[in-house]
Amino acid sequence: QVQLQESGPGLVKPSETLSLTCTVSGASISSYYWSWIRQTPGKGLEWIGFIDNKGNTLYNPSLKSRVTISRDTSTSQFSLTLRSVTAPDTALYYCAKGSDWNAGGFESWGRGTLVIVSS
Amino acid sequence: DIVMTQSPDSLAVSLGERATINCRSSQSVLYRSNNKNYLAWYQQKPGQPPRLLFYWASIRESGVPDRFSGSGSGTDFTLTISSLQAEDVAVYYCQQYYDTPYTFGRGTNLEIK
Repeated sequence: QVQLQESGPGLVKPSETLSLTCTVSGASISSYYWSWIRQTPGKGLEWIGFIDNKGNTLYNPSLKSRVTISRDTSTSQFSLTLRSVTAPDTALYYCAKGSDWNAGGFESWGRGTLVIVSS
Repeated sequence: DIVMTQSPDSLAVSLGERATINCRSSQSVLYRSNNKNYLAWYQQKPGQPPRLLFYWASIRESGVPDRFSGSGSGTDFTLTISSLQAEDVAVYYCQQYYDTPYTFGRGTNLEIK
């Protein structure tokens, strides 16, 4: 059974950088596509981007200029970096695994980590 | 971006009754070369991440009770719960994976009447 666990600071100051890590067990991150998704009361669920089995990335154009997703296969982790955060970046951040049948079908999710942007 | 519009926003149904949730995409998510609709449904309970219920619009994920069904094609889709149980109280989301950025509906809050 695949398990994902998000970790990282729960509080980030405006204009600074948000960094989160997702630790994966039960599957190789060199296989499948691995996404970050965030959830807010205002905008609902928003797909941020993914890193694929080869290490290539694709981002939501709405965030592309500020986002980087990377991976460390030796530790079975992939990470999210979001630069120049502002209050609207306050959200519950999830990592998720793309399914066998499509990268955009999210069959396994972490429990999420709340990130608040505030001074 | 493909906009996913769900209706209603909120729904109250009596136990044992049928619940129907609708989802409309701003453009077709049917890929004609394989005749598949790139549409998924998720269930989210308080304090939990979304749980995948259906993919390809109507394929039930393993472990999902058969009182749940998914239907539709092109731009119009429906999630139906044939006989509502107390444990079905949740927010339900549709999502398209036809094109990036993947997008979700705003959700339908299902409650017991």
